[in-house]
Amino acid sequence: NAGVTQTPKFRVLKTGQSMTLLCAQDMNHEYMYWYRQDPGMGLRLIHYSVGEGTTAKGEVPDGYNVSRLKKQNFLLGLESAAPSQTSVYFCASSYRKGLSYEQYFGPGTRLTVT
Amino acid sequence: DQQVKQNSPSLSVQEGRISILNCDYTNSMFDYFLWYKKYPAEGPTFLISISSIKDKNEDGRFTVFLNKSAKHLSLHIVPSQPGDSAVYFCAASWTSGTYKYIFGTGTRLKVLA
Repeated sequence: NAGVTQTPKFRVLKTGQSMTLLCAQDMNHEYMYWYRQDPGMGLRLIHYSVGEGTTAKGEVPDGYNVSRLKKQNFLLGLESAAPSQTSVYFCASSYRKGLSYEQYFGPGTRLTVT
Repeated sequence: DQQVKQNSPSLSVQEGRISILNCDYTNSMFDYFLWYKKYPAEGPTFLISISSIKDKNEDGRFTVFLNKSAKHLSLHIVPSQPGDSAVYFCAASWTSGTYKYIFGTGTRLKVLA
């Protein structure tokens, strides 16, 4: 049981390049999330999904797209990377347990855009 | 508009003493709160949570207190251990179907041996 995994762990992009970050979970969770963490900003929600085939915008969705074609995978795409997208990206998944949606996080992807 | 605030970016505590981490929120609709711990180069891990119908929840050395009238929660760690040194995030949510959490900016705790 690997939990939540993220690919790749590190990446350096040039401005204008595109890339896709992959998140996979093996816990059969319904809900999946993408966050970015920047110094002094905490974790900010980019996009999330409440089930296979559905996605929704979070707090900071501009410049990103997502897809959830399979329940276990949640992809985050950057179509034209900008230096402002330099950040650490975390994926999380969760399920409803009583009143809570306790989230399980992946190890993160450190992205640098030059 | 920071709906969840952790006003202390860092905190140092002697081993064996109590660590108190604070979190304030502005949205009265929040009804579920969590604390996460994060070590460098790892993802956050769930620590403890509390529903708005309670004012205290305990799990071993960790206790979370909720003061709804003040819109304030705190995490107490007793006794503090060097392995507790990490960044702690509080998070808040509405349980009525939004599936989302709003995170604070984090407090870096350093427990001195």
